[in-house]
Amino acid sequence: EAGVTQFPSHSVIEKGQTVTLRCDPISGHDNLYWYRRVMGKEIKFLLHFVKESKQDESGMPNNRFLAERTGGTYSTLKVQPAELEDSGVYFCASSHPTGSSYNEQFFGPGTRLTVL
Amino acid sequence: SQQGEEDPQALSIQEGENATMNCSYKTSINNLQWYRQNSGRGLVHLILIRSNEREKHSGRLRVTLDTSKKSSSLLITASRAADTASYFCATADRSGSARQLTFGSGTQLTVLP
Repeated sequence: EAGVTQFPSHSVIEKGQTVTLRCDPISGHDNLYWYRRVMGKEIKFLLHFVKESKQDESGMPNNRFLAERTGGTYSTLKVQPAELEDSGVYFCASSHPTGSSYNEQFFGPGTRLTVL
Repeated sequence: SQQGEEDPQALSIQEGENATMNCSYKTSINNLQWYRQNSGRGLVHLILIRSNEREKHSGRLRVTLDTSKKSSSLLITASRAADTASYFCATADRSGSARQLTFGSGTQLTVLP
């Protein structure tokens, strides 16, 4: 079974540019999460999809971040325009369909974003 | 202060020794999970312990959970150089399933050959 995959693995962009990160969850996992770790701080939750619906987007830092999951399969996270403080590692995770009460989340390798 | 704080922040031991990392949290939880991150790589799920469990084993890993003290420990026995990594605890709150995880700041473990 393939794990969670993320693309790209690294991205270097200039302040003000746009970047789109992609996450492919494990097949059959309805739940998809985005997290990020900036400046060596804690890994912080961004948002949670159940299929194509945003279940919880309380961790999204501001309206420069837009996440989508059309069709309930892969997800994209767009940052527009990128700021210096957006640099960090963005992780995606997926878990079994809702109803599995123990919520083991499987993480992808992350995308390292550097904003210059 | 942060939910899911690990201590120590950094730990350096010799190969073959045991490593113990601790995690404290603040809210009521559904479960607590431990993850490992090797340098430059993704998070690898190690073990999940449910709120009604007190101890769990997986290979060389032993996890304990004390919900009265809101704390957990991860013990790695007979450590190897390949165990060098950052270790994070993460809690899922009690209010429902399929929720966000709250991570601690992690413990950097270095196992010297």
